[in-house]
Amino acid sequence: EAGVVQSPRYKIIEKKQPVAFWCNPISGHNTLYWYRQNLGQGPELLIRYENEEAVDDSQLPKDRFSAERLKGVDSTLKIQPAELGDSAVYLCASSPRDPVSTDTQYFGPGTRLTVL
Amino acid sequence: GENVEQHPSTLSVQEGDSAVIKCTYSDSASNYFPWYKQELGKGPQLIIDIRSNVGEKKDQRIAVTLNKTAKHFSLHITETQPEDSAVYFCAASRGGNNRLAFGKGNQVVVIP
Repeated sequence: EAGVVQSPRYKIIEKKQPVAFWCNPISGHNTLYWYRQNLGQGPELLIRYENEEAVDDSQLPKDRFSAERLKGVDSTLKIQPAELGDSAVYLCASSPRDPVSTDTQYFGPGTRLTVL
Repeated sequence: GENVEQHPSTLSVQEGDSAVIKCTYSDSASNYFPWYKQELGKGPQLIIDIRSNVGEKKDQRIAVTLNKTAKHFSLHITETQPEDSAVYFCAASRGGNNRLAFGKGNQVVVIP
């Protein structure tokens, strides 16, 4: 079974530029998460999708961050404009649909963003 | 919301010895407790999890114990090997649609 796929793996941009990250969850997983992981910290949730609906976006900085999951499969996270403090690893995770294992989250390799 | 703390922040062990990492949580309603291993440049990988209706769970060299009364749970790694060197994160949630709260991670170094 293929894991969560993310691209790009690394991105370096100058501040005020836009950036986008892409995620393809594990096949059949209806729940998708975007996390931000700062250096030396654990992941922090940005947004959670159930199919194509964003059901928890309370920690997404909506002035500059946006996300979409149009067909309930792939998802894109965008930052516009990027700030120096946005430098972090952006992780995507997914969970299966069945009630027994729906709590289990499987993470992708992440995208390391550096804002100069 | 849930607050998860991990101790110690860094742990060095000799190869073959055991390693124990402890986490405390604040929300007594939390009932799902996973442990993730993160190697450099990779995403967190689930290694074991436990639910509040179970006190202990074991998978080969890895075990997790849960003390609901004291609100702490621990990861035990026996017969450590160099490939066990990584950052380990604990997390807690109320399960279902509730948010997973992560600790800050423990750096485990296994010395050959």
